[in-house]
Amino acid sequence: AQSVTQPDIHITVSEGASLELRCNYSYGATPYLFWYVQSPGQGLQLLLKYFSGDTLVQGIKGFEAEFKRSQSSFNLRKPSVHWSDAAEYFCAVGPGGGADGLTFGKGTHLIIQP
Amino acid sequence: AAGVIQSPRHLIKEKRETATLKCYPIPRHDTVYWYQQGPGQDPQFLISFYEKMQSDKGSIPDRFSAQQFSDYHSELNMSSLELGDSALYFCASSYDRTATAGGYTFGSGTRLTVV
Repeated sequence: AQSVTQPDIHITVSEGASLELRCNYSYGATPYLFWYVQSPGQGLQLLLKYFSGDTLVQGIKGFEAEFKRSQSSFNLRKPSVHWSDAAEYFCAVGPGGGADGLTFGKGTHLIIQP
Repeated sequence: AAGVIQSPRHLIKEKRETATLKCYPIPRHDTVYWYQQGPGQDPQFLISFYEKMQSDKGSIPDRFSAQQFSDYHSELNMSSLELGDSALYFCASSYDRTATAGGYTFGSGTRLTVV
């Protein structure tokens, strides 16, 4: 069965500092990987996704993620965070086909310090 | 661009009542997914539909049922509601059972509170 681990429940970063959120997955085949962001009480917004090809994926809001098959990781990065980036971030894995649902990690709560 | 529309946004029900949540996918998306997100939890996959047929089933209680209609909208029916059903319910849609065309797009969710 597929699974996603986000080791960090909370991360605190100063505004303007760089950010890296960790995500490790377990999946038998080539995974489809996603990062979503969720503000309190709001829906899930897709930041970026990886299906194949270039392992460095660019997303919205200045985020990027790198797929490393050898490490089963798909870490999310941003060179300089803004106060508006404070939110819950979810990594998810899915087959991308067959209408199977996505499996989400437990999420990482990002706190931005002024 | 059109998004996934969910209604209602908020719903308050009493225990043992029934609730119906609706989801209108992005035009031309033929696959709909339902997720449940409890307080402080990650979204859990409930059920999905492709071309009006149930496609996959996750951790959906037997008290819940869902269907997809001819116009591709979907409804999640929840009966004998329990306090533990209080959660944010998301619908997502995609094209042709795959995320490659545009990914899974989520709606803003329906917040169900059971009292």
